[in-house]
Amino acid sequence: DAGITQSPRHKVTETGTPVTLRCHQTENHRYMYWYRQDPGHGLRLIHYSYGVKDTDKGEVSDGYSVSRSKTEDFLLTLESATSSQTSVYFCAISGRGSDTEAFFGQGTRLTVV
Amino acid sequence: KQEVTQIPAALSVPEGENLVLNCSFTDSAIYNLQWFRQDPGKGLTSLLLIQSSQREQTSGRLNASLDKSSGRSTLYIAASQPGDSATYLCAVSNTGNQFYFGTGTSLTVIP
Repeated sequence: DAGITQSPRHKVTETGTPVTLRCHQTENHRYMYWYRQDPGHGLRLIHYSYGVKDTDKGEVSDGYSVSRSKTEDFLLTLESATSSQTSVYFCAISGRGSDTEAFFGQGTRLTVV
Repeated sequence: KQEVTQIPAALSVPEGENLVLNCSFTDSAIYNLQWFRQDPGKGLTSLLLIQSSQREQTSGRLNASLDKSSGRSTLYIAASQPGDSATYLCAVSNTGNQFYFGTGTSLTVIP
């Protein structure tokens, strides 16, 4: 798993509630990413970070925010969860030195009811 | 925006057969291309990374090739085994980060 831990692994939440997913890495990679995976759409980038406190939007960022206060932690927050945000969320890391290979966490299955 | 396509969406082969999975992309100015494997309910496992200056990479029974000018990559699996059954994903990066994914090829190897 290249030293990536996602928590929680499963979560069920109600529409309108805030939700925070956590990604923790032990590999000192510069870049961290949040993707969502949905049938028929594949993996789509939500947000990514290129350093502490440096983040940028991906292609499906509406309704999501992120924070990176430490190199090893990247948080994804759904401010007010909606049923369309039911998905499997993956954290990824890349960029240790000159190495650009990406590694993924095991995923968080989020269900919004 | 980079568009990545993988064909076929599903493939079923008998054990022992050699097979090729295809990946095509629309913007040939890529930085690198990476092949992943995903088992049901699991995360993605990196198989091979090809830098834009490389033509191919090999790992065991796997060989990935890259033709930037035509916007194509292939993943060749030799002597397939039932344990190779999984979904194979291709991801392309134009900058060294921000990967764009295809929707994958679901491979079933029949014993």
